[in-house]
Amino acid sequence: DAKTTQPNSMESNEEEPVHLPCNHSTISGTDYIHWYRQLPSQGPEYVIHGLTSNVNNRMASLAIAEDRKSSTLILHRATLRDAAVYYCILNAGGTSYGKLTFGQGTILTVHP
Amino acid sequence: ETGVTQSPTHLIKTRGQQVTLRCSSQSGHNTVSWYQQALGQGPQFIFQYYREEENGRGNFPPRFSGLQFPNYSSELNVNALELDDSALYLCASSGRGGWELGANEQFFGPGTRLTVL
Repeated sequence: DAKTTQPNSMESNEEEPVHLPCNHSTISGTDYIHWYRQLPSQGPEYVIHGLTSNVNNRMASLAIAEDRKSSTLILHRATLRDAAVYYCILNAGGTSYGKLTFGQGTILTVHP
Repeated sequence: ETGVTQSPTHLIKTRGQQVTLRCSSQSGHNTVSWYQQALGQGPQFIFQYYREEENGRGNFPPRFSGLQFPNYSSELNVNALELDDSALYLCASSGRGGWELGANEQFFGPGTRLTVL
């Protein structure tokens, strides 16, 4: 399985933008980049995913480097509710049947 | 639209016992995956069911087994419980299986917290 590297923790202030980085230097051409987050005492929650182009949805934006070896999850205005563990995952589908291989993730702390 | 539900919420068992955990997938979803999450760790993939058949398995022993029913709900069975089986067990459903799953989001339930004494 292709691996990802994320910082262990990051901090932000409420209503400020947050940029969560992820390195995936061994990504293959068919790997999708997925982001999930897990709030305390809850199951993981899908945030966003992309293949090559930048993506936007109501929760966040995903910026993908041109060589696809890194990506950044952007929360445009952090709220206290965004405090969670954020996981960057490569999802190949196909013979890997889309299993999600979670790493340690980035613990995001949001200060009021 | 009903989300993914799991039962029970919490469960306490003793070493050597057997346990069955249940998951109802989101309406219209035909793929269910099970994950184990130890305290302080990310979830680890156990196995996946697609259209009632096991479609892939992680690095878990055979005493972890499962079923998927015609309505796509699923069960996770664990035999001969060990202390290390204490964890949060998560199921996730998705609307598509096979190769398309790489491009598809998965929806997680709230989990079942299993404690083995």
